[in-house]
Amino acid sequence: QSALTQPASVSGSPGQSITISCTGTSSDIGAYKYVCWYQQHPDKAPKLLIYEVSNRPSGVSNRFSGSKSGNTASLTISGLQAEDEADYYCSSYTTSDTWVFGGGTKLTVL
Amino acid sequence: QLQLQESGPGLVKPSETLSLTCTVSGGSIISTSHYWGWIRQPPGKGLEWIGHVYSSGSTSYNPSLRSRATMSVDTFKNDHSLKLNSVTAADTAVYFCVRGYRSNGGVDYWGQGSLVTVSS
Repeated sequence: QSALTQPASVSGSPGQSITISCTGTSSDIGAYKYVCWYQQHPDKAPKLLIYEVSNRPSGVSNRFSGSKSGNTASLTISGLQAEDEADYYCSSYTTSDTWVFGGGTKLTVL
Repeated sequence: QLQLQESGPGLVKPSETLSLTCTVSGGSIISTSHYWGWIRQPPGKGLEWIGHVYSSGSTSYNPSLRSRATMSVDTFKNDHSLKLNSVTAADTAVYFCVRGYRSNGGVDYWGQGSLVTVSS
């Protein structure tokens, strides 16, 4: 299985909104609603931000939102804050009963 | 509060077997709602799904690692384990043990991660 495709980096200024894309295939993102997004700060374990394309776990800010169209999922962060600077990873369930991650996107808050 | 803790050798020689155990505390590993898995991250690189196991013992592996990986659950010890054989330097990574929701796959609990280096 090939990794999902994410941009290597994105940036934005405090208060702005940014969107990170995650492109897969009809065997993963396009096949199911099981897309997740994770945030990882340096030397920390990742944290679940979004599950099932657009649902937020309890405690996750509503500044984080997810969507999907066809084989591409997206994570939008609104009202950027300095603490949002981190790596972001998408993942998707696949038709092989496995999970696959994206390559990760480094978000820089300018 | 559920806690996951990886344990195992931090250094493994090439061609040998990497063995890690994840001890689960604060909750039971017996669950029909969750799976238990392993995710790794080479230094400076992204996340890679290794596989997952249910408390029933049923498993699923990353196709690229399927021939070398074995996962199991010990419901008496409340832990699960990973064995990866014939390791090379490319297997050097931080290995995270995780718990995920069976219904949506989201990983809600992570261990702190265990760095395993493959070197002679």
